[in-house]
Amino acid sequence: DAKTTQPPSMDCAEGRAANLPCNHSTISGNEYVYWYRQIHSQGPQYIIHGLKNNETNEMASLIITEDRKSSTLILPHATLRDTAVYYCIVGGSNYQLIWGAGTKLIIKP
Amino acid sequence: DTGVSQDPRHKITKRGQNVTFRCDPISEHNRLYWYRQTLGQGPEFLTYFQNEAQLEKSRLLSDRFSAERPKGSFSTLEIQRTEQGDSAMYLCASSPWTGDEQYFGPGTRLTVT
Repeated sequence: DAKTTQPPSMDCAEGRAANLPCNHSTISGNEYVYWYRQIHSQGPQYIIHGLKNNETNEMASLIITEDRKSSTLILPHATLRDTAVYYCIVGGSNYQLIWGAGTKLIIKP
Repeated sequence: DTGVSQDPRHKITKRGQNVTFRCDPISEHNRLYWYRQTLGQGPEFLTYFQNEAQLEKSRLLSDRFSAERPKGSFSTLEIQRTEQGDSAMYLCASSPWTGDEQYFGPGTRLTVT
């Protein structure tokens, strides 16, 4: 079973920040939090990952709680092209990732 | 570089036939992964190569599945005696030695009739 819990779907208005939550209450000390997304009919795309500290790149920000039991992916200015399934995954090494069903994010005009 | 490529993109086969899929990773990436994805689910890890060595294999990978990566470049995934339950999207990904992110190809959609 996946080590993470995500809402099955979310809506967000275009131009607003999209905040996608993820619970990972059983995360171990050496496990990272990874976020990928999958646009319809395409392979998954890496977004961001982190261990303890908050991370930001050109695509998104990752906020990890101090106890590391949950995290939030933030897309600061959502566009229609951000409509996709977003996967939150925890793992200690890159190839040992167990993917859940993800959150289907729909950006509405 | 054009990214990870997979061939074919679609394959329809009859139950009991053998199929082989090819993956060409990003050229400087020495790590390669195979996943299987069914409708509405996230990808399931199948196997992992570092250069030509197959270092990890999921228990999901039955004896009918075999993967190779000769010379540490492209990889092939073969399914023997296909079953209807093998119908899925087969995804390949690659990553560099020092990278944590995986770069995925577009996938091969297999339909077993």
